[in-house]
Amino acid sequence: QVQLQQSGPELVKPGASVKISCKASGYAFSSSWMNWVKQRPGQGLEWIGRIYPGDGDTNYNGKFKGKATLTADKSSSTAYMQLSSLTSVDSAVYFCARLRHAMDYWGQGTSVTVSS
Amino acid sequence: DIQMTQSPASLSASVGETVTITCRASENIYSYLAWYQQKQGKSPQLLVYNAKTLAEGVPSRFSGSGSGTQFSLKINSLQPEDFGSYYCQHHYGTPFTFGSGTKLEIK
Repeated sequence: QVQLQQSGPELVKPGASVKISCKASGYAFSSSWMNWVKQRPGQGLEWIGRIYPGDGDTNYNGKFKGKATLTADKSSSTAYMQLSSLTSVDSAVYFCARLRHAMDYWGQGTSVTVSS
Repeated sequence: DIQMTQSPASLSASVGETVTITCRASENIYSYLAWYQQKQGKSPQLLVYNAKTLAEGVPSRFSGSGSGTQFSLKINSLQPEDFGSYYCQHHYGTPFTFGSGTKLEIK
């Protein structure tokens, strides 16, 4: 069965970077777009961007250009998102989600807390 | 970017009732509209895609309709497990955008 297993919670200092992972299993990783979605506490969902692991093609929400960098490792079926120059507004839960028609499978989410 | 306007922001209903949530797109998205359910502290789950196609395993009491700019999600005979938040999202090209959400609560 399709599973997306995300890395654990992160506590990072302002100005630092963090890289979170999403390990896929149960389907052809290279053949489906992987999306990343942000959710701040008590807020709605915000699309960050997506990557096609087969060729590394990416699309970003303009709001996150320069903030988020998406990569993928086909050999380990793992997608990554690096967030840079972190501030308090980046404190959120970040989800990865496979795209087939729509986002049909989601990871469990990774909590990122930015605090000194 | 395409804006998605979702209403109502919150909704209170009883078990057994029928409710409808609406979503309006700022431009024509044809039928490229999805609906998700999210329970507190959990990941969103896909309910409907392409405006009216139920995702695998979704009960038939859920139904989606609409095309162009106006869409709706209807839940017949509410069950206790249906309470939570619902989001629409267009999948007509990037950037994808979500509606602001509807919180469905028990009356």
